[in-house]
Amino acid sequence: AQSVTQLGSHVSVSEGALVLLRCNYSSSVPPYLFWYVQYPNQGLQLLLKYTSAATLVKGINGFEAEFKKSETSFHLTKPSAHMSDAAEYFCAVSADSNYQLIWGAGTKLIIKP
Amino acid sequence: DGGITQSPKYLFRKEGQNVTLSCEQNLNHDAMYWYRQDPGQGLRLIYYSQIVNDFQKGDIAEGYSVSREKKESFPLTVTSAQKNPTAFYLCASKPSSYNSPLHFGNGTRLTVT
Repeated sequence: AQSVTQLGSHVSVSEGALVLLRCNYSSSVPPYLFWYVQYPNQGLQLLLKYTSAATLVKGINGFEAEFKKSETSFHLTKPSAHMSDAAEYFCAVSADSNYQLIWGAGTKLIIKP
Repeated sequence: DGGITQSPKYLFRKEGQNVTLSCEQNLNHDAMYWYRQDPGQGLRLIYYSQIVNDFQKGDIAEGYSVSREKKESFPLTVTSAQKNPTAFYLCASKPSSYNSPLHFGNGTRLTVT
């Protein structure tokens, strides 16, 4: 069965610092992986997706993620955090024929001024 | 612009009453989903539908019902049998292609007292 683990329910970084949000997955078949962002009281917005075309995926708002099969990881990074990046981030994997997504529990990103 | 509309944004009900949450999409997507979100628990799948007049239970379907009479619409009814209905409810849709991402509405926050 597929699963997703996001390390750290809360991550705090200073404005201008590197953002690193961790996501590890398990899947018996080649996965499709997604990162979503959720601002308070809103729906989720797609940041980026991995669909096997390239291991380094660039997304919106300056975020990127690297697929590492040997580590079963898909960590999300941004070189320099902005106050507007404060939100909750979700990693998800899709490897099921019924087109369902398996979700991580989410990581709240806190930006310190 | 195409998108998913959930209404209302906030909903208040007395315990013992059924309540229906609306979800409409004009993206011409085949599949639609309902998720429940509670703090610290990520997203949990309630029901999903891949085609009109067909739907499947997700992980937490008890106390909920849905219908899919039109491609554009996927209303969710929270019945009085749902033990703890207060939550944030998210509707999503996607095309039928396997690796397409989900598109989300802005959610409905239901409070039952």
